[in-house]
Amino acid sequence: GAGVSQSPRYKVTKRGQDVALRCDPISGHVSLYWYRQALGQGPEFLTYFNYEAQQDKSGLPNDRFSAERPEGSISTLTIQRTEQRDSAMYRCASSLEQATEAFFGQGTRLTVV
Amino acid sequence: EDQVTQSPEALRLQEGESSSLNCSYTVSGLRGLFWYRQDPGKGPEFLFTLYSAGEEKEKERLKATLTKKESFLHITAPKPEDSATYLCAVQAMDYKLSFGAGTTVTVRA
Repeated sequence: GAGVSQSPRYKVTKRGQDVALRCDPISGHVSLYWYRQALGQGPEFLTYFNYEAQQDKSGLPNDRFSAERPEGSISTLTIQRTEQRDSAMYRCASSLEQATEAFFGQGTRLTVV
Repeated sequence: EDQVTQSPEALRLQEGESSSLNCSYTVSGLRGLFWYRQDPGKGPEFLFTLYSAGEEKEKERLKATLTKKESFLHITAPKPEDSATYLCAVQAMDYKLSFGAGTTVTVRA
C-alpha cells in the first residue's frame, strides 16, 4: 500500500481479554517499530524488528505484551489479559532501511473498560 | 539510556514571529536525529534527518540544525498552518529510535 496501515483503528475491549493489533508496513520496508503514545506525550518505544527478527523489545512494559513479524512484513502486537492502564494509542512505523526515516501509520486507539 | 529533552513544552507565536525549538539529547552514539510534525489525531509526519554536527536542512519556513549535544528547529515567519506539535527523535547505534515529548506550537493570525 501507499502508507503504513494499522487495524483496527479503534478497539474497545473488556479488562482481561486479549487483543491483537495489526500493522501492515510500506511495501519493501525492512524495519518496523511499535510505539505507544499517551495524550500530550511523544511516542514511547516498545519494540523494533529488522525483517522478521525482533532486534529490541526493551520497551515492552511486561510479559503480557508480545510482538511478532513472522514473514518480515505484517506485524502483530498482542496484549494478553488487558488492563485499564493499557488504554492508549498504539502506533506502528516502518523504514526502508535500518538507518533511514520512519513513516507512521494512523495508529490504533485501544480502550480497556 | 538514551534521553531526548525538548523545550519549550509549548510555544505561542504571532504570525510572522520567528522562533526556535530545542532538542537536547544524550545517546550512546548517534546514527541520526529526526524531526517530525504531528497534527491532532494524526500520526507523526517526517520532516528532516540530520546525521552529523554542523548539518542543516531546510523546508519552506523550517530549518533544522545539529550540534553534538542538541538540535534546533527554527521557524521563520510562521503562519497559522505551522501550528502543530513538533517531535524530535534520535536513533542510536543499535537503531533504536527514541522520541522526545514534543513542543506544541500555536501560531495566531
